Amino acid sequence: DAKTTQPPSMDCAEGRAANLPCNHSTISGNEYVYWYRQIHSQGPQYIIHGLKNNETNEMASLIITEDRKSSTLILPHATLRDTAVYYCIVRPSTGNQFYFGTGTSLTVIP
Amino acid sequence: ETGVTQSPTHLIKTRGQQVTLRCSSQSGHNTVSWYQQALGQGPQFIFQYYREEENGRGNFPPRFSGLQFPNYSSELNVNALELDDSALYLCASSYRDPGGYGYTFGSGTRLTVV
Repeated sequence: DAKTTQPPSMDCAEGRAANLPCNHSTISGNEYVYWYRQIHSQGPQYIIHGLKNNETNEMASLIITEDRKSSTLILPHATLRDTAVYYCIVRPSTGNQFYFGTGTSLTVIP
Repeated sequence: ETGVTQSPTHLIKTRGQQVTLRCSSQSGHNTVSWYQQALGQGPQFIFQYYREEENGRGNFPPRFSGLQFPNYSSELNVNALELDDSALYLCASSYRDPGGYGYTFGSGTRLTVV
């Protein structure tokens, strides 16, 4: 079962920051937060992951609250190509499966 | 570095038939997982293979089975196909203990059962 809660859909203006929230109130101490996205008819694509600290890479930033019960994925300058379904996933460091929810459908508007 | 490739991309089968889907893992990855994604839903974990043995299974019946080969490629077999088996089947490869970057997914095989 999915261990995360995400809004079903969001819109974002092109060029603006997209902030996608995720609640994971039952997260355990050894569970990572992963973000993937899925563009229509493609496989999910890795974006970023973290355990406790905020993380940043060339695609996005991940902000995890101090109590780790929620996180936010930030796409700093959204483009039309960022339109996709974004999945927030928690899993143990040694677990062997991801529990996907239904994700957030992000639409970037010109 | 090659990614994960799956074949075929699309497939139509009749209820009751059997199907085999194939996956080539990303170079260097030794673990492969299979997911089923129904329309409008997130992917659901079917099972994972490591060192040619099943290493975890989701809530899927035994008619879903798999193989992993010495070169880490993999097959998903589904027997006695049902209409509800119509879905996108995703293969994902990783290292044994992917505490790092998680899985690399293929683009999937779209199976339609009629």
